[in-house]
Amino acid sequence: EAAVTQSPRNKVTVTGGNVTLSCRQTNSHNYMYWYRQDTGHGLRLIHYSYGAGNLQIGDVPDGYKATRTTQEDFFLLLELASPSQTSLYFCASRRDWGVETLYFGSGTRLTVL
Amino acid sequence: AQSVTQPDARVTVSEGASLQLRCKYSYSGTPYLFWYVQYPRQGLQLLLKYYSGDPVVQGVNGFEAEFIKSNSSFHLRKASVHWSDSAVYFCAVSAPGTGSNRLTFGKGTKFSLIP
Repeated sequence: EAAVTQSPRNKVTVTGGNVTLSCRQTNSHNYMYWYRQDTGHGLRLIHYSYGAGNLQIGDVPDGYKATRTTQEDFFLLLELASPSQTSLYFCASRRDWGVETLYFGSGTRLTVL
Repeated sequence: AQSVTQPDARVTVSEGASLQLRCKYSYSGTPYLFWYVQYPRQGLQLLLKYYSGDPVVQGVNGFEAEFIKSNSSFHLRKASVHWSDSAVYFCAVSAPGTGSNRLTFGKGTKFSLIP
């Protein structure tokens, strides 16, 4: 079973704060994704990457940066957090594109006060 | 660009009853289609997927889905539900070819059983 680990599990910060969410996959997958999940919106893609040093913009990128430092590690950065970024964040990975299965982490719940 | 609509935000049935969760997609050709399930306090897990061939695909735990191109639908079904099926179910679509490096998810349908 593919493994995707996210940290922290929960995070509380204040408006204007600096937050980094971490994701590690040990599956040697090429693709990694960051989603946010909000009631009434489902899952929305923030950023994704198909390898170390690569970054692709998703559907809701404003206010977020991301960096893929290695094949295994993908980080999501909120440099000036706002209350609208309070959400449940999921990282996912998959081996390749097309019909390959997405494997999800357990999520990080972020609260911006 | 592709899109997905799950028209039912919530579905409730009795234990042992059958289940159908609806999914409609928008895409000009034949897309790749997926159903994922999210149990409480967990990430999403794949139930089943369709990309070609037999339009009825079988998944885990007795779930199946049927691709009907003429209706742009990919509804999920189960003949007899159990308490353990209570979860949020997401339909997702991706476009074959250059667009298939990302999945577009519906808003999800929360399924629960009548106590």
